[in-house]
Amino acid sequence: DAGVIQSPRHEVTEMGQEVTLRCKPISGHNSLFWYRQTMMRGLELLIYFNNNVPIDDSGMPEDRFSAKMPNASFSTLKIQPSEPRDSAVYFCASTSSGGAGELFFGEGSRLTVL
Amino acid sequence: KQEVTQIPAALSVPEGENLVLNCSFTDSAIYNLQWFRQDPGKGLTSLLLIQSSQREQTSGRLNASLDKSSGRSTLYIAASQPGDSATYLCVKTSYDKVIFGPGTSLSVIP
Repeated sequence: DAGVIQSPRHEVTEMGQEVTLRCKPISGHNSLFWYRQTMMRGLELLIYFNNNVPIDDSGMPEDRFSAKMPNASFSTLKIQPSEPRDSAVYFCASTSSGGAGELFFGEGSRLTVL
Repeated sequence: KQEVTQIPAALSVPEGENLVLNCSFTDSAIYNLQWFRQDPGKGLTSLLLIQSSQREQTSGRLNASLDKSSGRSTLYIAASQPGDSATYLCVKTSYDKVIFGPGTSLSVIP
């Protein structure tokens, strides 16, 4: 398996623009996580899906952020409108067994909002 | 509140030393404890996974232990090398939470 695949790897955009980050989990994994990592706050859980259903979105910063998982092999994290404080590395991770299995991370999407 | 802490926050050792990284958690309800490595500007690489029914796991020069009763896990690195320099994070998974520790930044000096 190719592992968790994220795109784009790098994105630079201007404030106010819409940003869409994509994630393909490992085949067979039924749990998917979106994390944000910054120097100031470390790794923060944004949202967690189990069997394509959002289980915990309490980490989503505000209404500008939304995430979807239309099927077991694809998820998106959208920021609209983007702000400079959204600049961070966004990681997607997946695991099996409802979260009890080994967690695998993608390489991350580095977002810079000017 | 569920918390995962890691001590020390940073560690610098000469090449060849054996070292121990510590991870503590406050809630003994646990599915597994996983150790990751993160290199600067990179993603997180899984090193070892210890299921709640296990006490330790080994991979090469790495050994991780888990003591649920005391809420602790340790990562032992034998004969450290400069290539081991990275940030090491422990992650506790329970029924409804995946909680990361803040990480230990390791620097192995040649």
